[in-house]
Amino acid sequence: QEQLQESGPGLVKPSETLSLTCNVSGGSINSYYWTWIRQPPGKGLEWIGYIHYTGGTNYNPSLKSRVTISLDTSKNQISLKLTSVTAADTAVYYCARDLGFTRVRGVVIKLGTYFDYWGQGTLVTVSS
Amino acid sequence: QSALTQPASVSGSPGQSITISCTGSSSDVGGYNYVSWYQQHPGKAPKLMIYDVTNRPSGVSNRFSGSKSGNTASLTISGLQPEDEADYYCTSFTTISTVVFGGGTKLTVL
Repeated sequence: QEQLQESGPGLVKPSETLSLTCNVSGGSINSYYWTWIRQPPGKGLEWIGYIHYTGGTNYNPSLKSRVTISLDTSKNQISLKLTSVTAADTAVYYCARDLGFTRVRGVVIKLGTYFDYWGQGTLVTVSS
Repeated sequence: QSALTQPASVSGSPGQSITISCTGSSSDVGGYNYVSWYQQHPGKAPKLMIYDVTNRPSGVSNRFSGSKSGNTASLTISGLQPEDEADYYCTSFTTISTVVFGGGTKLTVL
């Protein structure tokens, strides 16, 4: 059974870069898509973006200019960077495994989306 | 991309059935059979309840079911139990291969 654990600074200053890591244990990050999702305090969930283990990414259009998701297969980790943060970026950040894909003649194609394993989430506050 | 539309709240008594709607457009809900539903209790990570409109993951009670008609998907919970009280979110895959969430629905079991 896979376990996901987010980690990173709980406090980031405005205009700086938020950096988080998701450590995956109990399985390999190969063969799947991995997603970051956030939830501002008292509000709903917002999809940030996903990455495939081959490196392909896609991001929420509203965050695309500030987001980078990457992975380190040797460490079984997925990373999130969000630049130029403001108070509006204060949220609990979750990583999750995304099983929405299919294979056509051995080629993986992103099709569909659903998140079966989630981390516990980590609260990041943007404040000076 | 715009968030999917869910009712802010629904309620029901133990034993009753409730339905939560999730309305999008032809670019998301209506365009694919890739709607999923999540249950979130306070302070906890969301839990997958339904995927690909109607499929239930192993371990999820058969009291939870999903459906879709046009641009609106629905989650039905039958035989309401106190532990079903939680927030529920829908998601959909979109035509630009992104993901969009609904605004969430708070379910109260009276």
